[in-house]
Amino acid sequence: NAGVMQNPRHLVRRRGQEARLRCSPMKGHSHVYWYRQLPEEGLKFMVYLQKENIIDESGMPKERFSAEFPKEGPSILRIQQVVRGDSAAYFCASSPVRGPGELFFGEGSRLTVL
Amino acid sequence: AQSVSQHNHHVILSEAASLELGCNYSYGGTVNLFWYVQYPGQHLQLLLKYFSGDPLVKGIKGFEAEFIKSKFSFNLRKPSVQWSDTAEYFCAVIRNNDMRFGAGTRLTVKP
Repeated sequence: NAGVMQNPRHLVRRRGQEARLRCSPMKGHSHVYWYRQLPEEGLKFMVYLQKENIIDESGMPKERFSAEFPKEGPSILRIQQVVRGDSAAYFCASSPVRGPGELFFGEGSRLTVL
Repeated sequence: AQSVSQHNHHVILSEAASLELGCNYSYGGTVNLFWYVQYPGQHLQLLLKYFSGDPLVKGIKGFEAEFIKSKFSFNLRKPSVQWSDTAEYFCAVIRNNDMRFGAGTRLTVKP
């Protein structure tokens, strides 16, 4: 039973390029969360999605960042025109149901912006 | 603003020492509480969780946590740490559908 799969594990981009991070939730899970972990900081909530719906994007920067979770395929976190401050580890988590409960995390995608 | 606070950023202990990591939250009402651990280079894993019932919760690897509602706290404890407990520990709080994490506490256990 595969866990939450994230790819790529490591991504290097130059300033101004686009970064796409993918997350395949655990089998049977239809709820996906994205978190960002900056050096010396904790996990910061970014966005919560269900299939084809954004439920809560209150943690997403207003510009350059977007997320989707299509009916088929993985969830994608997209960062346009990356800047050095976007360098961080991005974690995806999934859960089978809405509401309080355990989140299952992927191993994260580390983005480095040169 | 509603938040989750972990007071210790970095804790260094010798093996067999006792551990207590603080976690306080500022949400009102009913909450669900979690401690996650992140070993070096790995993903977050659940240590323990509290939804209701006995406020003293037992988790994996000898960890426990106590929910004190009046203090808005959910401190993590372990009577005797091991070198393999070296990791980062995150407290998390869910209220409604909203899960928020503390900044994390890095634990270093010296052999």
